[in-house]
This record gives sequence, C-alpha cells and structure tokens, in this order.
Amino acid sequence: AQSVTQLDSQVPVFEEAPVELRCNYSSSVSVYLFWYVQYPNQGLQLLLKYLSGSTLVKGINGFEAEFNKSQTSFHLRKPSVHISDTAEYFCAVSRANTGGFKTIFGAGTRLFVKA
Amino acid sequence: NAGVTQTPKFRVLKTGQSMTLLCAQDMNHEYMYWYRQDPGMGLRLIHYSVGEGTTAKGEVPDGYNVSRLKKQNFLLGLESAAPSQTSVYFCASRSQEGSPLHFGNGTRLTVT
Repeated sequence: AQSVTQLDSQVPVFEEAPVELRCNYSSSVSVYLFWYVQYPNQGLQLLLKYLSGSTLVKGINGFEAEFNKSQTSFHLRKPSVHISDTAEYFCAVSRANTGGFKTIFGAGTRLFVKA
Repeated sequence: NAGVTQTPKFRVLKTGQSMTLLCAQDMNHEYMYWYRQDPGMGLRLIHYSVGEGTTAKGEVPDGYNVSRLKKQNFLLGLESAAPSQTSVYFCASRSQEGSPLHFGNGTRLTVT
C-alpha cells in the first residue's frame, strides 16, 4: 500500500523568503503525485501535479515541485512567499492503473508567512 | 458552474442520531469520494464510487454507508453517530485516472 509523509507539520517563514515543503511517498509501482492547498474554511484546490515526463512541475501562484524517483520525494518550493500563501498544503499520491484511482493524502503542512 | 456542492455546511448531532450528507457535482465525473479531515491526520478516505450504482470501502469505512443512485450525487450516511465521528467531511470528484480531485467546501459535523 502506498503512503505519504509530510516531514514538517508547520513551517514559519518571513515574507519574500524562499520556502520548501517536503513530501516523501512509498509505493512499489508508478504513481501520480499532487500538491493541494487549503485556505481556511475552504475545500482543497490543486496547486500542481506530476503524471509523467519532466520531473520539474510548475503550478499556480509561483509554486513548483520536483519529482525524484530515486528518493521517492516530491518537494514543493516557492522562491519568494507572500502573506497570502499562508495556508495548509497537502501532498497526495494516486497509484497508476488501479481501480477507483484512490488518492492518499499526507497529514499536511501548515505554512505561516510572517510580515 | 457550481462544481462540487455539499449540504449541509454545519451540523450538530447527539450520540445515536442519524443523518445524511449530500454531495452533488455538475461536471459529469465518474468517480466520487468521501473524505474526513481531522487535525494532524490529513484527509482519510471513507468510501468511494467508480460510477453510478457502485460503491467501495476506503481506509476508514466503519460507521458510514454510502449510495450513488444518480451519477451526479453521492450520499454519505451515519446510522448511529458517535463522538469519534466529529470531523470535517469533504466530498470530491474526478473525471479519470491522473486528473485532479475537485473538492466541495466541506461539512463540519459535531457529535455530542
């Protein structure tokens, strides 16, 4: 069975600083990888996804992530954060070629951007 | 285009009461899912459906039942609510393998 580990539960950072949110997954087969963002009292929204091809994936709001198959990681980065990036971020994995295309989520990382 | 709509938004139940959460999507998606979100645990899959008339168990199905009588609707039922079911419930849908999940805004349920 696959699992997802987000290594940091909370990440405080100053505005305009770079940030990296870490995600590791375990799976013995090919996977699809996603990052979602959740603003307070809202559902989750897709930031970016990796299906295949280039290992560097660019998403919305200036975020990008790099798929590293050998390290089974999919870390999320942004070179300069804004106050409005304060939210909870979830890494998720969906195993390719399985019935139902179930998606398993990590526990989430709460990003606090300080002025 | 409403996307995924969940009703109700909030509900308070007493232990032993029953209720049904409704999820409706207008995107003609085949796949629908119910998750619960608890602090520090991310989202855990309760039940899912791969098409009209089908349902299957996820990671944490005990205490819940679901039905998908129409393609656009996915109902989550609690027959006898327990305090451990206090949570935020999210419905999601997707069109096909590899496509992202589209989420509703959630239902906050408190069981006293």
